[in-house]
Order: sequence, then structure tokens, then C-alpha cells
Amino acid sequence: RKEVEQDPGPFNVPEGATVAFNCTYSNSASQSFFWYRQDCRKEPKLLMSVYSSGNEDGRFTAQLNRASQYISLLIRDSKLSDSATYLCVVSGAGNQFYFGTGTSLTVIP
Amino acid sequence: NAGVMQNPRHLVRRRGQEARLRCSPMKGHSHVYWYRQLPEEGLKFMVYLQKENIIDESGMPKERFSAEFPKEGPSILRIQQVVRGDSAAYFCASSPRRANEKLFFGSGTQLSVL
Repeated sequence: RKEVEQDPGPFNVPEGATVAFNCTYSNSASQSFFWYRQDCRKEPKLLMSVYSSGNEDGRFTAQLNRASQYISLLIRDSKLSDSATYLCVVSGAGNQFYFGTGTSLTVIP
Repeated sequence: NAGVMQNPRHLVRRRGQEARLRCSPMKGHSHVYWYRQLPEEGLKFMVYLQKENIIDESGMPKERFSAEFPKEGPSILRIQQVVRGDSAAYFCASSPRRANEKLFFGSGTQLSVL
């Protein structure tokens, strides 16, 4: 079983739409959670950390459900510039980081 | 504060040659990670190092690949006798001394094997 699993998509949504991604992780002892964004052929960049209480950054909201071992990312009012691959990342004991395969998002004019 | 620096940005090698990829972590970061990304695929973990120590190399192929992070200087990922299947983007990331802090990535090295 993979450490982190994501729906690869692709998600094709119109501008202004709300879109949600989910991610599940297998190790209940995981400690830190992140969403990264990767544009084509470029390095992943941190989008936001994910906390148990949930956190929001502008149009982006991240949630963590430890009981069910899943993480979500909600994007409201999608922009063309949101088109990218979104990577779910989980970190656990030993400072190891586990990446999902990514969910592809295309925002259509 | 410079970010994670990787060089070269692009590297072309013929089959059988050696490839050396370098990574300088962010200032103050003592944890270095190497990832490989094949075209149209996700990031695959290769190795995790701290200064002078390999912590986890479970993602490294058993042959031809090695990594080091010396006391002085950058981390080096070395691929001997490259084959076409080694063509990929290789990303280095670093994190601070504190456990489970976020990763910061370099721009990557695109390796092309002819």
C-alpha cells in the first residue's frame, strides 16, 4: 500500500468554479502535512501546511482529518493561474517525506 | 537568503558516462533529500542525507547510483555508466534541523542521456 494516495485527475474546471482534492495517507503516526504545487517541468513549491484545526489562505482552504487519515484542499473562485499539479505530502518519524503522485488541475476560460 | 541551489540546470551525457549532480541546501538547513521525476510521473524519493551521513537510501537503485553530503561543500548525486532510462528531472530539497519542517526545492537538474 502506498504511503500517500491521490486521485490523479485530471480535473478540468471553468474559471470561478470551486474544486476540491482529497488525499489519504496510510501511517497513523504521520506528523506533518502539506500541499505543494508543481507547474510543468518546474520544482514543487509549498502551497500551504495543513493543521488539525484547518487553515485558510485566501482562496485556498486545507483540512486534516486524523481519524480518517485524509487531507483535503479546497480552491474557491478558480483562476487560470491555478492550473498545475497539486501534490499531497506527509511527513512522519525519521524526517521522511512522502509524496502523492499529484492531482492535475486545468482551469478553463 | 539564497534558496536551494542545484547545478547544472541541464546535463547531457552519452550512455556509459558519469553524471554528477550538485545541490547546495538553503543556509541553515542540514537535511538534504534527492527525488527523481520521470516524464509524466510523480516524484520518487531516492535518498535522505544529513551532513556526512546517509539516513535513508531506500529509494536509490542498488547499482550505479550513490550520494554524499560532505562536511564542506554541496551534496552530490552521482550516476555511473548512465543509461537512457536515467533521463529524468532530479530535484534536491532541503529542510532545517527541526524535525518535519517543510521542504524547499531547488530548480532541478534535467538529465538527458543520448
